[in-house]
Amino acid sequence: ETGVTQSPTHLIKTRGQQVTLRCSSQSGHNTVSWYQQALGQGPQFIFQYYREEENGRGNFPPRFSGLQFPNYSSELNVNALELDDSALYLCASSLFNGMNTEAFFGQGTRLTVV
Amino acid sequence: SQQGEEDPQALSIQEGENATMNCSYKTSINNLQWYRQNSGRGLVHLILIRSNEREKHSGRLRVTLDTSKKSSSLLITASRAADTASYFCATDAGYSGGGADGLTFGKGTHLIIQP
Repeated sequence: ETGVTQSPTHLIKTRGQQVTLRCSSQSGHNTVSWYQQALGQGPQFIFQYYREEENGRGNFPPRFSGLQFPNYSSELNVNALELDDSALYLCASSLFNGMNTEAFFGQGTRLTVV
Repeated sequence: SQQGEEDPQALSIQEGENATMNCSYKTSINNLQWYRQNSGRGLVHLILIRSNEREKHSGRLRVTLDTSKKSSSLLITASRAADTASYFCATDAGYSGGGADGLTFGKGTHLIIQP
């Protein structure tokens, strides 16, 4: 058990809709990152939040957005869903204390866009 | 794009044997982490090795890092059926001009332990 929880575990949405995925970080961690994992691939970095601000972003369009709350929980929002957005979405929490430490992942949310 | 590449893509061995997986990467890193993933579920953190370290151990796991060759290896000794999973290396390059770079993963090695 990592202490990182994600909800929901599975979700089916229609193309064009919007979706919000949630993540609760491990206690004591101040950084949260989101990753997209397509079938048969490794996870791809979407973005990272530190102290409630986005401080890093991968190669994802602006319709992928996020929030980090004062209790270090986080949301990933995806607008105008496309079929290719179907994937496992993973949240990772870590502690930044001058250097990056181990990143612990939740169990993921499986998103299917139809 | 994916920086890390695990080798081999798939590995099948008998229970009790040792399993070795390799990872190569392209840019300089702050640390490298190994993860295990069972059947498309969440990633389980195995070990982190920093760029100034050459070898780390954790239980049956041994990780090496060669920054001159930009490569790492994960050795699992005395394998068990429960070790069947996909294994990923993830490099942490720290921060570039655009902010945090996040972890960069390869496609993974699928390990099958046969009883």
